[in-house]
Amino acid sequence: QKEVEQNSGPLSVPEGAIASLNCTYSDRVSQSFFWYRQYSGKSPELIMSIYSNGDKEDGRFTAQLNKASQYVSLLIRDSQPSDSATYLCAVNRYDKIIFGKGTRLHILP
Amino acid sequence: NAGVTQTPKFQVLKTGQSMTLQCAQDMNHNSMYWYRQDPGMGLRLIYYSASEGTTDKGEVPNGYNVSRLNKREFSLRLESAAPSQTSVYFCASTEGGETYNEQFFGPGTRLTVL
Repeated sequence: QKEVEQNSGPLSVPEGAIASLNCTYSDRVSQSFFWYRQYSGKSPELIMSIYSNGDKEDGRFTAQLNKASQYVSLLIRDSQPSDSATYLCAVNRYDKIIFGKGTRLHILP
Repeated sequence: NAGVTQTPKFQVLKTGQSMTLQCAQDMNHNSMYWYRQDPGMGLRLIYYSASEGTTDKGEVPNGYNVSRLNKREFSLRLESAAPSQTSVYFCASTEGGETYNEQFFGPGTRLTVL
């Protein structure tokens, strides 16, 4: 089983709709979880971090964590064309961070 | 406050040549990392330095060496470049400590080995 798994996509979502991105992880010792956004040709940038079970909201973004089921999700409300990017799920493993391969999100105008 | 800087931005090498990728951060972070990113493979950790004076292997260390020159700088060296090392290389840093915090990334170095 891969340490951090994401559906590679592409995930196509109409403008204004909710985009839902999912991630599962294998290591139960992980305590810190992150979502990074990466535009083509650019470096990853952090958009959300979450450390405890439940939901965390920041503007149009909501991160959800369920440690018992070992999954993390990211919801993007009112999706905009500028949200079109690759979204990387990342999970800490001791003093390292492990990245998923990313999900490509395409917002349809 | 420049964050994480990397040099060079682009590089073309011939097989067997050597080069050093430079990375520096001005955020007083303890931990620094080198990743490579290939299409369909995501970000893979090459080496990391949890604190000044320490370095450890990541997922794909073969063919690379690193030096944590001081708290600010962490370099990656390719001793004898191979076409399989064609990739985009990212340096990242984080505060470190007991609670794992976000990583900040540099702009990347795009390396082509012919």
